[in-house]
Amino acid sequence: GEDVEQSLFLSVREGDSSVINCTYTDSSSTYLYWYKQEPGAGLQLLTYIFSNMDMKQDQRLTVLLNKKDKHLSLRIADTQTGDSAIYFCAENDYKLSFGAGTTVTVRA
Amino acid sequence: EPEVTQTPSHQVTQMGQEVILRCVPISNHLYFYWYRQILGQKVEFLVSFYNNEISEKSEIFDDQFSVERPDGSNFTLKIRSTKLEDSAMYFCASRMTSGGQDTQYFGPGTRLTVL
Repeated sequence: GEDVEQSLFLSVREGDSSVINCTYTDSSSTYLYWYKQEPGAGLQLLTYIFSNMDMKQDQRLTVLLNKKDKHLSLRIADTQTGDSAIYFCAENDYKLSFGAGTTVTVRA
Repeated sequence: EPEVTQTPSHQVTQMGQEVILRCVPISNHLYFYWYRQILGQKVEFLVSFYNNEISEKSEIFDDQFSVERPDGSNFTLKIRSTKLEDSAMYFCASRMTSGGQDTQYFGPGTRLTVL
């Protein structure tokens, strides 16, 4: 079955870059996703990457995909306090399979 | 921007009681989903719904659970006889098509507490 693994916590200084890593198992996923969950809120889609791409950049966000190693990462440049949240990677195009989430804490 | 809404935001119930969680998906979306997140655990898929029937369900979605689209706007999840372990955040999601690039939009969730 699908299994998505993420590190649980990341602490980063404001202005630095954050890198969140994820490994997945379902090689048939056409797309892989990053969602953000702020306290008390739902899941907000941040970005996604087509499985045939290696990299996608969207403003401060950079997604890297290593399909051979089934490794996905999300880089947030110039991390701000508003980036403090839980970040989930997800696979499977139809019924999303989520990782446990990485809690990112931005310190001043 | 259109959004998925869910009511109530928090539901407290006694074990054995029935609960109905309500969702209003985005109006032109055709595919609907329920997920749940037990505190501190992963978000788990429960069920997907299309064309007025369940298209896929997980092993969590047993006979105690049912879904319905009673009218053109609401999508409900019913738990017939709640158990303590049903306490979780329940998220509704919808998407326009089945294509992977057409993402699922999530509601803010309903926190269900079973006492």
